[in-house]
Amino acid sequence: SAVISQKPSRDICQRGTSLTIQCQVDSQVTMMFWYRQQPGQSLTLIATANQGSEATYESGFVIDKFPISRPNLTFSTLTVSNMSPEDSSIYLCSVEGRGGLEQFFGPGTRLTVL
Amino acid sequence: QKEVEQNSGPLSVPEGAIASLNCTYSDRGSQSFFWYRQYSGKSPELIMSIYSNGDKEDGRFTAQLNKASQYVSLLIRDSQPSDSATYLCAVNPSGSARQLTFGSGTQLTVLP
Repeated sequence: SAVISQKPSRDICQRGTSLTIQCQVDSQVTMMFWYRQQPGQSLTLIATANQGSEATYESGFVIDKFPISRPNLTFSTLTVSNMSPEDSSIYLCSVEGRGGLEQFFGPGTRLTVL
Repeated sequence: QKEVEQNSGPLSVPEGAIASLNCTYSDRGSQSFFWYRQYSGKSPELIMSIYSNGDKEDGRFTAQLNKASQYVSLLIRDSQPSDSATYLCAVNPSGSARQLTFGSGTQLTVLP
């Protein structure tokens, strides 16, 4: 499976600020995904990011709040904008596997908003 | 809404026993099914995938799929304390390209 890294691994931010999370993979992949995992909860898909096209957002998530970039086949960023304490969560990126159906996850970014 | 349901547990089994984890899904057209293991404070790790009815074995793990009953399970034989984790069932619903819908997870504790 691909080696996936995320930066930062964790951060503590003030209300009203924004944080950009980076996801880097060691091989080219078509599809990258961004998830949120709130404390004690399962994973919720935020959006799907394909290189060269706009990200596709799931119900309940909007581009103004979670802008995503996908400049090439190995990198993506997710920005959490105008943060509130409710945004405190773990944010995970994932990439499709070689079979095209399974996904592999990065180590996650633990965000705390005060 | 396409749902994936799991018993949240916690499920406790003694070391050496068989742990049985269950998952049901609502979308009859789903074709791909996955089990992930998530240790506390870590990200999910893929441990099994299954695409056709029946059993698929990989070491101590066996995934079972019954599409007619919309049911997928994971058996862990000879459970070890290191198997203690949350197990997430994930389904690729029909018409959703490659997205996955995750269940809420079952917390498994293997007692020494």
